[in-house]
Amino acid sequence: EDKVVQSPLSLVVHEGDTVTLNCSYEVTNFRSLLWYKQEKKAPTFLFMLTSSGIEKKSGRLSSILDKKELFSILNITATQTGDSAIYLCAVHNNDMRFGAGTRLTVKP
Amino acid sequence: GAVVSQHPSWVICKSGTSVKIECRSLDFQATTMFWYRQFPKQSLMLMATSNEGSKATYEQGVEKDKFLINHASLTLSTLTVTSAHPEDSSFYICSAQDKVHSYEQYFGPGTRLTVT
Repeated sequence: EDKVVQSPLSLVVHEGDTVTLNCSYEVTNFRSLLWYKQEKKAPTFLFMLTSSGIEKKSGRLSSILDKKELFSILNITATQTGDSAIYLCAVHNNDMRFGAGTRLTVKP
Repeated sequence: GAVVSQHPSWVICKSGTSVKIECRSLDFQATTMFWYRQFPKQSLMLMATSNEGSKATYEQGVEKDKFLINHASLTLSTLTVTSAHPEDSSFYICSAQDKVHSYEQYFGPGTRLTVT
């Protein structure tokens, strides 16, 4: 059975901290892994990863994929209160399988 | 970037009635659209995968006779919640997969359904 597991489920930090969110997966016919940020409504796309070892960066966010160990991490440096959201990891094989998400709360 | 719209953005209906939700890809063709449901404070749950011109593939536990999905064109998929019950109240989100860049998926803004 296909599985996407995110950890931690929730995380509370203070502004300026660095956080690492984890996503592990077991799926057949892996195509890509995607990270999304969800605030109040529909998720917004952050990164798509298809190859191992290639870091993707966007501002203070970065992500990397390890296809051998079947996981990805999402790093956020110098966190801000606006980073507070649910971060979703999804794996695209024949469908899209989402993890349960990590609820990040950044306190001032 | 690519845009996906949903209509309506929110709807209130009475128990026993049917509600149709539209998902449109505005500036690209989508051979595949996905329908998700989200309960409060929970992750997205995939309900079904909709391929243009063919029957939708439903996830285990999703009643296909209750949640009718039609994907009649490369830019439109519809989800009809039939004989709605209060427990169907939820946030329904669609996403569309770009035919050209098949790994990229774009989400609609979601539809809030409340059944009274």
